[in-house]
Amino acid sequence: GENVEQHPSTLSVQEGDSAVIKCTYSDSASNYFPWYKQELGKRPQLIIDIRSNVGEKKDQRIAVTLNKTAKHFSLHITETQPEDSAVYFCAANTGNQFYFGTGTSLTVIP
Amino acid sequence: NAGVTQTPKFQVLKTGQSMTLQCAQDMNHEYMSWYRQDPGMGLRLIHYSVGAGITDQGEVPNGYNVSRSTTEDFPLRLLSAAPSQTSVYFCASRYRRTGEEGTEAFFGQGTRLTVV
Repeated sequence: GENVEQHPSTLSVQEGDSAVIKCTYSDSASNYFPWYKQELGKRPQLIIDIRSNVGEKKDQRIAVTLNKTAKHFSLHITETQPEDSAVYFCAANTGNQFYFGTGTSLTVIP
Repeated sequence: NAGVTQTPKFQVLKTGQSMTLQCAQDMNHEYMSWYRQDPGMGLRLIHYSVGAGITDQGEVPNGYNVSRSTTEDFPLRLLSAAPSQTSVYFCASRYRRTGEEGTEAFFGQGTRLTVV
C-alpha cells in the first residue's frame, strides 16, 4: 500500500515568518493530495488540496507544490499568524483510500 | 446540512465490554471511513465503505466490525474492548468521483474512547 512520510513532526516559527511542511509518498498511482488542519480538540478540516495534473496551487497565504517525479509535495504558509498554530496532516489518495502522514505540530510565536 | 455526525463524544469502557460508535452523514456521500488517531501516528484507517452493502478493511481492522445498510449510516462496533483501543476515533465521508479520483473528506467531531 501507499506510505506517506511527513516532516518535521514539530515546527516553531515567529509570527510573520513562513512555515514549510514536507511529505513524500510511495505509490505513483496516487492522484490527489489534500492538507488538513486540526486545532486542539477539533476535527481535521481541509485547507488546500492539489491534483496530480497540477504542480502548484495557492490560496491567499497558503500554497501547495507537487513534484510527481520525486513523489513529494509541500505546504507553504506565509506571514504566519498565531491562529495558524495547529497540527497539519498531509494525505495521498490511491484508489478509494486516503493515507495520512503522521502530522506536524506548528506553533506560531507572537 | 449537519455534515458528519458522530456519537458519543466521550466514552469510558471496561476491558471486555462492547459498544457501537455511531456515524451519520446527510451529504449523500458514497464513501465513508473510520480512522483512529493516536499521538505521533496520524490517522490510521480502520474500515471503509464505498457504498451501501460494501465494506472493506483498512490498515488496522482487528477488534472492529462495521456494516453499511444505508448510505447515511456507518456504525463501528468494538467487539471486546481492550486498553490498546484507547484512542480518538473519527468518521469521515466523501463523494465518489469518476475514475476513482480523490475528493475532500469531511470528518465528524470525533469520539474520545478510554478503555480501562
